[in-house]
Amino acid sequence: DGGITQSPKYLFRKEGQNVTLSCEQNLNHDAMYWYRQDPGQGLRLIYYSQIVNDFQKGDIAEGYSVSREKKESFPLTVTSAQKNPTAFYLCASSTPGEWNEKLFFGSGTQLSVL
Amino acid sequence: EDKVVQSPLSLVVHEGDTVTLNCSYEVTNFRSLLWYKQEKKAPTFLFMLTSSGIEKKSGRLSSILDKKELFSILNITATQTGDSAVYLCAVEAWGGNKLVFGAGTILRVKS
Repeated sequence: DGGITQSPKYLFRKEGQNVTLSCEQNLNHDAMYWYRQDPGQGLRLIYYSQIVNDFQKGDIAEGYSVSREKKESFPLTVTSAQKNPTAFYLCASSTPGEWNEKLFFGSGTQLSVL
Repeated sequence: EDKVVQSPLSLVVHEGDTVTLNCSYEVTNFRSLLWYKQEKKAPTFLFMLTSSGIEKKSGRLSSILDKKELFSILNITATQTGDSAVYLCAVEAWGGNKLVFGAGTILRVKS
C-alpha cells in the first residue's frame, strides 16, 4: 500500500542530544513537509522540500535541520539548539499542482525530553 | 501575518446531535480553505473551499465558506461516536506553498 511512514512513533531526547525523525513515502510525491503540533495549537511548518536536493525553511525552522537526498525520504533532525522540542511531529507529502487537496500525512512521532 | 482561529476549542455532544464548528481567517491573497479530521494521529482531508456560498457535502458532513466575512463552518449532523476527533481548519494563499492551520476543535461524541 502507498503511504507515508514515520518512525519512531515515540522518541526521547536527552539534554544536548541531537535526534533524527524519519519520514519515508512511496507515493512518488515530489513535495514533502514537516509540521510540529503542540497541544492547543495548530500545525506549524518547520521545513518543506519541493524537489530533491532542495528545501526551504518554514515558520519555525530554528533548532531543526533537514536533508532531501532521495525523493522518498525527508528526515528531520532536532538539534540541541531547539530548547523546547517536546511536541508531536507530522510529516506530509503532496504532488505539486494538487498539493493542498492531496496532502497526505504520516502517523507522527511524539518527541519528549528526558 | 496570516491567521486562522477556530472555535470552540472543544465540544462534547451526545450521539444524534448536530454540531457546527467555526473557522475565521485573515490571509493575504486568499486561495482556499481546507478542513481536516485528525483521529489519533494522521490528519485526513475533508473539504477544500474556494468560492463563497457553495456548500460542499459528504454524507453527514457539510461545509460552506463566506469570503466576505472571512469564515467557514463545518456542520456534522446526526453525530456518531466515530466523529470524535480534532477538526483542523487551514488556509492557503495564492503564491504561497504552505497551509496555515488553526488550533483545531476537539469534538467528543458521547454514546
